[in-house]
Amino acid sequence: DADVTQTPRNRITKTGKRIMLECSQTKGHDRMYWYRQDPGLGLRLIYYSFDVKDINKGEISDGYSVSRQAQAKFSLSLESAIPNQTALYFCATQGHKNTEAFFGQGTRLTVV
Amino acid sequence: QKEVEQDPGPLSVPEGAIVSLNCTYSNSAFQYFMWYRQYSRKGPELLMYTYSSGNKEDGRFTAQVDKSSKYISLFIRDSQPSDSATYLCAMSALGNNRLAFGKGNQVVVIP
Repeated sequence: DADVTQTPRNRITKTGKRIMLECSQTKGHDRMYWYRQDPGLGLRLIYYSFDVKDINKGEISDGYSVSRQAQAKFSLSLESAIPNQTALYFCATQGHKNTEAFFGQGTRLTVV
Repeated sequence: QKEVEQDPGPLSVPEGAIVSLNCTYSNSAFQYFMWYRQYSRKGPELLMYTYSSGNKEDGRFTAQVDKSSKYISLFIRDSQPSDSATYLCAMSALGNNRLAFGKGNQVVVIP
């Protein structure tokens, strides 16, 4: 089983719909991140959390919200999806003392 | 100016050639420098990790850091078709492990 698991792997949704992307990890890491990846723009940080009670905005948080339900779970919500949120979304974890980040397999989201 | 600059232009090389990738950065607090490799339809995976300035070699891969110039490089010797992937540089500051990524370079090694 993967250490960082994202569900769903692929999703097509309509404009205006609410959608949740989920991430769970078995690495026991405190830090979790949500990124989106777009061609030519690289990875951009949406939100991050350093522990269960900690939520921080990244560089592109508008239109997104997150919930850290437990140390192992970090979900990303799009309250009202719009087409320019079509992208590849990655969850990542990082240990408190380690710099290496471990990524999930990604969720390909298409908003039509 | 973004914290990390990486020219995202694709790079095609013949098998066996040396691949040279680089990033520049503006934050002098960065101390940890990494290269991630991302295959198509997969998440990025750590390839090389360097602390502060200097060189690090791992098989066919060499990572270089020049903090005085705020410049890092990745070299791939004897490139193979299996090296075809996107390579992203990443870095972080001491005491703040949040990673700043470059845009990534798509590398294609042609057999």
